[in-house]
Amino acid sequence: RKEVEQDPGPFNVPEGATVAFNCTYSNSASQSFFWYRQDCRKEPKLLMSVYSSGNEDGRFTAQLNRASQYISLLIRDSKLSDSATYLCVVNTRRGYNKLIFGAGTRLAVHP
Amino acid sequence: DAMVIQNPRYQVTQFGKPVTLSCSQTLNHNVMYWYQQKSSQAPKLLFHYYDKDFNNEADTPDNFQSRRPNTSFCFLDIRSPGLGDAAMYLCATSSPREYPRNEQFFGPGTRLTVL
Repeated sequence: RKEVEQDPGPFNVPEGATVAFNCTYSNSASQSFFWYRQDCRKEPKLLMSVYSSGNEDGRFTAQLNRASQYISLLIRDSKLSDSATYLCVVNTRRGYNKLIFGAGTRLAVHP
Repeated sequence: DAMVIQNPRYQVTQFGKPVTLSCSQTLNHNVMYWYQQKSSQAPKLLFHYYDKDFNNEADTPDNFQSRRPNTSFCFLDIRSPGLGDAAMYLCATSSPREYPRNEQFFGPGTRLTVL
């Protein structure tokens, strides 16, 4: 079983749609959580951290459920520029901080 | 602007011919990482440096080596590239002062092709 699992998609949605991505992680000792965005053939870039209470940044909302070891990302009012791969990332301390990446969920927003 | 720089952006090498990828950073971060990312897969950590301390992942092949001559620079050496080593190689940095958040800053990557 992978340590971080995501639905690979692709999610094909029209502009203006609301789309939700889910992610599960296996290590209950994981300490911090992130969503990264990766455009085709580019490096991953931090989209947002995920806090226990849930957090929102504009059109993006992230939620964490530690009991279920589940993370979500909600994108409202999708834009064409949101088309990318969204990586769920978990920080686990094993003597040092190690980020474990999911394989990503691909989003394609069409006109 | 503080940043992570990788050179070259694209590297073509022949099967078995050693290649070196470089990474530099102006963030003055203690920790530098090398990841390998193949198409449609998650980035896979190869190793990292905490200051001068080298930490190899258990499943990183011996074919991959690294050097960090100073805080700013880190190199990835592939001694005998095979076709399966064709991938994007990503360098990242972080500061332990940000524990446990551990945000990592990525360079643009080097895309390696092995002929």
